[in-house]
Amino acid sequence: ETGVTQTPRHLVMGMTNKKSLKCEQHLGHNAMYWYKQSAKKPLELMFVYSLEERVENNSVPSRFSPECPNSSHLFLHLHTLQPEDSALYLCASSQDSSGLGTYEQYFGPGTRLTVT
Amino acid sequence: AQSVAQPEDQVNVAEGNPLTVKCTYSVSGNPYLFWYVQYPNRGLQFLLKYITGDNLVKGSYGFEAEFNKSQTSFHLKKPSALVSDSALYFCAVSQLTTDSWGKFQFGAGTQVVVTP
Repeated sequence: ETGVTQTPRHLVMGMTNKKSLKCEQHLGHNAMYWYKQSAKKPLELMFVYSLEERVENNSVPSRFSPECPNSSHLFLHLHTLQPEDSALYLCASSQDSSGLGTYEQYFGPGTRLTVT
Repeated sequence: AQSVAQPEDQVNVAEGNPLTVKCTYSVSGNPYLFWYVQYPNRGLQFLLKYITGDNLVKGSYGFEAEFNKSQTSFHLKKPSALVSDSALYFCAVSQLTTDSWGKFQFGAGTQVVVTP
């Protein structure tokens, strides 16, 4: 596997379910990101982890809970979601372990989440 | 506060003609500017970036972009478009601040349609 992978690619869940999204990067990067992509809206940065420490939580509701057990893996735990949380969730990684903002990000293919 | 704008929701161009996708930005300091492309059911793919130096930046797949500080623009260009260039294009801006992690901001995206 190369680049950034995400599983599952598609997920349908009820509002009372608990599920997790998984991201893995094979690029040796130290920073990982979760984004939400909704139709007709700009990408929304949700969380940033640098060297396995959360450095940014962009006012995301507590029903989204990230976890970064090591520099290669990132999870997004979901519980009690709302229909408006339906979106494409993208994971990304970069070499930017210091928040310099000069490094490009490498994205996974995303998980298409539908909340019913 | 920083912001990035892509004024066109969609750009239509015939194959072989020049392609331009517009991007303007607003930051308080020196900007770092990026272009990404997203094909259907895929994550974003990095095309090119401007950090410092030469205002004309060359990137992947024959794309280039010109940083224009006076007009606060970073338009993406390709001299001769291909049908395979049809995709969603995102401009992004970041800057070095004491709190850089949350400052990587994407535009809303421009859909490029190249017709044979």
